[in-house]
Amino acid sequence: EVQLVESGGGLVQPGRSLRLSCAASGFTFDDYAMHWVRQAPGKGLEWVSGISWNSGSIGYADSVKGRFTISRDNAKNSLYLQMNSLRAEDTALYYCAKTGYSSSWYDYWGQGTLVTVSS
Amino acid sequence: DIQLTQSPSFLSASVGDRVTITCRASQGISSYLAWYQQKPGKAPKLLIYAASTLQSGVPSRFSGSGSGTEFTLTISSLQPEDFATYYCQQLNSYRATFGGGTKVEIK
Repeated sequence: EVQLVESGGGLVQPGRSLRLSCAASGFTFDDYAMHWVRQAPGKGLEWVSGISWNSGSIGYADSVKGRFTISRDNAKNSLYLQMNSLRAEDTALYYCAKTGYSSSWYDYWGQGTLVTVSS
Repeated sequence: DIQLTQSPSFLSASVGDRVTITCRASQGISSYLAWYQQKPGKAPKLLIYAASTLQSGVPSRFSGSGSGTEFTLTISSLQPEDFATYYCQQLNSYRATFGGGTKVEIK
């Protein structure tokens, strides 16, 4: 059974940093691209960042470029999101998502970890 | 960046109704479009990928069609468990976008 379990969320002050993790199991982790998607309270889904199976290709939303860094450790079956210079508008539930075989859609999602940026 | 525009943003319907949601892309995306269902407090669930392929385990009352810039999600006979928010999504070269969502509520 595929499982994606996010952790690392919490309450943080504006300008500070936070590192999210996503522990994957139930599939061959290094065969698939992985992404982070967020959802602000009461709002729609917003893509944040994605990384290829071997970390050779990476993309970021314009809203987080230069502040967030995605990475993965295939030996640990884990995905990460380092978030620096956090802003109030980064407040959201952050989901880890596994891509399907063509890397064009998300077939499994975690339950999310909540990040709240507030003083 | 490719923008996805969903319509309507809100839909009120009755059990048994046929429901259609549209997603328009700002440029051609071939058939690289997916549809998700999200219920309150839950993660999104993949319904349709590659514009028209039903994800395993998803009821056959859901169907998708389209290519290029215009896509539709159809629910042939709305069931009580289908009241939720639906999103379209495209992903290309490690950049993805979602539509704004369509909330389907009970009339």
